[in-house]
Amino acid sequence: QQPVQSPQAVILREGEDAVINCSSSKALYSVHWYRQKHGEAPVFLMILLKGGEQKGHEKISASFNEKKQQSSLYLTASQLSYSGTYFCGTKPAAGAGSYQLTFGKGTKLSVIP
Amino acid sequence: NAGVTQTPKFQVLKTGQSMTLQCAQDMNHEYMSWYRQDPGMGLRLIHYSVGAGITDQGEVPNGYNVSRSTTEDFPLRLLSAAPSQTSVYFCASSYSTSGPNGGYTFGSGTRLTVV
Repeated sequence: QQPVQSPQAVILREGEDAVINCSSSKALYSVHWYRQKHGEAPVFLMILLKGGEQKGHEKISASFNEKKQQSSLYLTASQLSYSGTYFCGTKPAAGAGSYQLTFGKGTKLSVIP
Repeated sequence: NAGVTQTPKFQVLKTGQSMTLQCAQDMNHEYMSWYRQDPGMGLRLIHYSVGAGITDQGEVPNGYNVSRSTTEDFPLRLLSAAPSQTSVYFCASSYSTSGPNGGYTFGSGTRLTVV
């Protein structure tokens, strides 16, 4: 089942912060985050494994709440280069589909000067 | 390393024609998969493979076949193209199916139009 991302779109001025949320109805093993720029392929940002960890990548970090089956991506002091569509992908904790990464519909982030 | 290489980048097919989208990776990744991306739909899994000789269906497998005879190659075959298969197709691979090395590397995509 497809994870739900929110918001669908967000516009930021340079230097502002943003949070993108991803929630699933299934128990999760892992959450992935990717960024895709227009006309390009998705690029891997980070993976979070069950255990409730938080990771960072430059000024982009993420958290994973295993009990709530939710993950959040935090973008701080946004730069123009952060513009793009952000996708979360989820893998279930067990059972059928555990090898399958299911993506949300994406959050379009636009950073303006 | 070239990473994940997809060919062709663009293709126009007539309804009913068949074709094969090629995908090759040189990273010794065990896991490979095919996704299609349509506006507003995100990325939807077509087929995947956890190793040479092993393939399985994803969310939207109808109309597509795959095989995995080598670790490096994972071609996607459209049996009889339909306008509903107009989409951007991405091949992706990862070193493992679990753990911290499970992040996907995507190819540059194939933009397919069926008329």
